[in-house]
Amino acid sequence: EDKVVQSPLSLVVHEGDTVTLNCSYEVTNFRSLLWYKQEKKAPTFLFMLTSSGIEKKSGRLSSILDKKELFSILNITATQTGDSAIYLCAVEARNAGNMLTFGGGTRLMVKP
Amino acid sequence: EPEVTQTPSHQVTQMGQEVILRCVPISNHLYFYWYRQILGQKVEFLVSFYNNEISEKSEIFDDQFSVERPDGSNFTLKIRSTKLEDSAMYFCATKTSGQLYNEQFFGPGTRLTVL
Repeated sequence: EDKVVQSPLSLVVHEGDTVTLNCSYEVTNFRSLLWYKQEKKAPTFLFMLTSSGIEKKSGRLSSILDKKELFSILNITATQTGDSAIYLCAVEARNAGNMLTFGGGTRLMVKP
Repeated sequence: EPEVTQTPSHQVTQMGQEVILRCVPISNHLYFYWYRQILGQKVEFLVSFYNNEISEKSEIFDDQFSVERPDGSNFTLKIRSTKLEDSAMYFCATKTSGQLYNEQFFGPGTRLTVL
């Protein structure tokens, strides 16, 4: 059974701190790994990673994938209160439907 | 920016009743998905749909569930006889193609409450 595990479960930091969120996976037919941000309702897309060692960056957020060790990290530098959300890691399967298997998420709270 | 829309935003129903949840995908998207998230739990895959047929489904997607594209634009999820444990947030997601690496875009969800 495919499995995606995220850590920590929750994190409380102050504005300006840097955080690292972890995602490890065991998936039979790996295609890609995705990070989403979930605030109130719908997950919104952050990154898609397909190759090891290539950092994806968007502003203060960055992510990297290690396909040998089967994990990814999401870094957020200079955190702001608007970064408070649940961060979801999902692995896309290489099958007919390309379904996503999600981790349980990391709840990040950034205090002023 | 194009987005996936879902209706209704909240549906309350009695156990045993049928519900239909609706999704309007982004216009050039070809792959459609339903996921659900029970309160406090993980987002779980239900079903994927391409070329007017189911391409993959999970164990959750039993005979009580069905999907269709009745008019070529809406994508619907029907639950024939709802149970208390069907209470969850249901997300529709769509993407352009299965060949290229591209992300699934999620709708805002329908919160289903079964009483």
